Amino acid sequence: NAGVTQTPKFQVLKTGQSMTLQCAQDMNHNSMYWYRQDPGMGLRLIYYSASEGTTDKGEVPNGYNVSRLNKREFSLRLESAAPSQTSVYFCASTQSGGTADNYGYTFGSGTRLTVV
Amino acid sequence: AQSVTQPDIHITVSEGASLELRCNYSYGATPYLFWYVQSPGQGLQLLLKYFSGDTLVQGIKGFEAEFKRSQSSFNLRKPSVHWSDAAEYFCAVGVKGTYKYIFGTGTRLKVLA
Repeated sequence: NAGVTQTPKFQVLKTGQSMTLQCAQDMNHNSMYWYRQDPGMGLRLIYYSASEGTTDKGEVPNGYNVSRLNKREFSLRLESAAPSQTSVYFCASTQSGGTADNYGYTFGSGTRLTVV
Repeated sequence: AQSVTQPDIHITVSEGASLELRCNYSYGATPYLFWYVQSPGQGLQLLLKYFSGDTLVQGIKGFEAEFKRSQSSFNLRKPSVHWSDAAEYFCAVGVKGTYKYIFGTGTRLKVLA
């Protein structure tokens, strides 16, 4: 099994450009998450989807939108990229139905985004 | 508010030496507790987890962690470190009844040959 697949792996955007980060999981997991990782700040939750058809804001949702296209796919869109969105973005999934539990996450390998 | 603290930003050990990475949490009850490892350029991989029962849990790659309620700690240990263990390690707490998983800021491990 591939687990959680993210595309692209690297991206450079100019300020104001838009792009969509793609995430797909093949484990039949219910919940999917988008995090950003910045040095010294750990991981911060952007958006999550407890189940197909639902999405909710996390800690740092401003400047982002998400779509849970189906049970497998959860995309993150930057409508007008800003330098502050330079970061490494991780998608994750878990079996649970949204609330924290003991399953833990399966993470993708990340998208390194630079906004100039 | 719930929080996770990893007091050591960087740790350096010699290959073959023992390792302990510290994690302290602030939470009103027993949370779900996790340790993840991140190799350079990779995503995070689950090492082990605790949610109830035996306070010493075993994980992959020879790691173990001990939950100490009285100290609000969940420290990660390995008896003998291998060069391939060089990575960044994250402690995380799952807040029951919410979507929240709170991550610490990570400890970067360097292994000397």
